Amino acid sequence: QKEVEQNSGPLSVPEGAIASLNCTYSDRGSQSFFWYRQYSGKSPELIMSIYSNGDKEDGRFTAQLNKASQYVSLLIRDSQPSDSATYLCAVTGDGTASKLTFGTGTRLQVTL
Amino acid sequence: NAGVMQNPRHLVRRRGQEARLRCSPMKGHSHVYWYRQLPEEGLKFMVYLQKENIIDESGMPKERFSAEFPKEGPSILRIQQVVRGDSAAYFCASSLRTTPPNEQYFGPGTRLTVT
Repeated sequence: QKEVEQNSGPLSVPEGAIASLNCTYSDRGSQSFFWYRQYSGKSPELIMSIYSNGDKEDGRFTAQLNKASQYVSLLIRDSQPSDSATYLCAVTGDGTASKLTFGTGTRLQVTL
Repeated sequence: NAGVMQNPRHLVRRRGQEARLRCSPMKGHSHVYWYRQLPEEGLKFMVYLQKENIIDESGMPKERFSAEFPKEGPSILRIQQVVRGDSAAYFCASSLRTTPPNEQYFGPGTRLTVT
């Protein structure tokens, strides 16, 4: 079982729609959860971090965390063509385990 | 306010040569992480350092790879006797703290090509 799992996609949504990206993780001790956006040939860019159960909103982005279900998601409202990228889910472990464990990413395509 | 800086951005080495990758963390950040992204694969953790200390090297290959973060100057990831399988993008990230949420910010990466 992979530590962090994401659907590779591509996930195709029309411009203006809501894109929903999902991620599950296997380590119940995971403490912090992150969503990064990575354009082709570029470095990961931090979009959201969350470490408490519930929702966290930042502009068009909402991260949702459910530790009981070991599930984290990212909603992108009013999707734009510039949102087309690969979205990486990452988690850190407990205690001093500061390293990020990444999923393989979901490729999002926002169509005109 | 400069972000994480890495150099060189592109590096070409012949098999058997040494590769040195440099990373300067964001201002005020004392935690540095190195990750590797192989072609068509996900990002993998390699090593976590603080000034003059390696904290976690559980992702580093046992041979040919080493990392340091001296008291003065950038962090350096060194790959000795490179092989074609070392061709990848190497990213450095830095963070201000390790308590949650421990947000890590990535540099632009060094793309290593071994010929």
